[in-house]
Amino acid sequence: QKEVEQNSGPLSVPEGAIASLNCTYSDRGSQSFFWYRQYSGKSPELIMFIYSNGDKEDGRFTAQLNKASQYVSLLIRDSQPSDSATYLCAVKGSWSSYKLIFGSGTRLLVRP
Amino acid sequence: EAQVTQNPRYLITVTGKKLTVTCSQNMNHEYMSWYRQDPGLGLRQIYYSMNVEVTDKGDVPEGYKVSRKEKRNFPLILESPSPNQTSLYFCASTLTPEDSPLHFGNGTRLTVT
Repeated sequence: QKEVEQNSGPLSVPEGAIASLNCTYSDRGSQSFFWYRQYSGKSPELIMFIYSNGDKEDGRFTAQLNKASQYVSLLIRDSQPSDSATYLCAVKGSWSSYKLIFGSGTRLLVRP
Repeated sequence: EAQVTQNPRYLITVTGKKLTVTCSQNMNHEYMSWYRQDPGLGLRQIYYSMNVEVTDKGDVPEGYKVSRKEKRNFPLILESPSPNQTSLYFCASTLTPEDSPLHFGNGTRLTVT
């Protein structure tokens, strides 16, 4: 079992729809969770981070964390073609403050 | 402009020829890290450094060396590159890795033939 798992996709949604990206993790003691966006050929950039159970909203993005079920998700409302990218989930392991484990990413395609 | 600068962007080399990929940040970050990215495997950590002269292995350190003699620089050294080290490499830095975003360099695409 991978430490951080994501469906590779592609996830295809029409423009204006809600895109839902999911991530599960194996370390029950994990404390910090990050979502990065990576355009093809570019470096990752931070979208959101979340520490506490529940939802965290930032503009069109909402991160949801459920520590009991060990999953974190990212919702993108009113999806735009410019949101088409690979979304990487990253989890900070509980046993080290310095180790950030990335999932392999979910590719999102927003159809005009 | 705050940034992480990696060089070179592209590198093609042959098996066994030592190479260095440089990484420099101008944000006074204490934490720096190297990742490699391969299709289907995501970003895997090679080495990281918490401060000057403090480095530690990540998940895939075999075949790589690093040094941190100055706060701003964190070069990645491949003493004897092999074809399985063909990959996309990213350097990243942050102030506090537990709650701050990683700032990534633009990446180095390495091909070892």
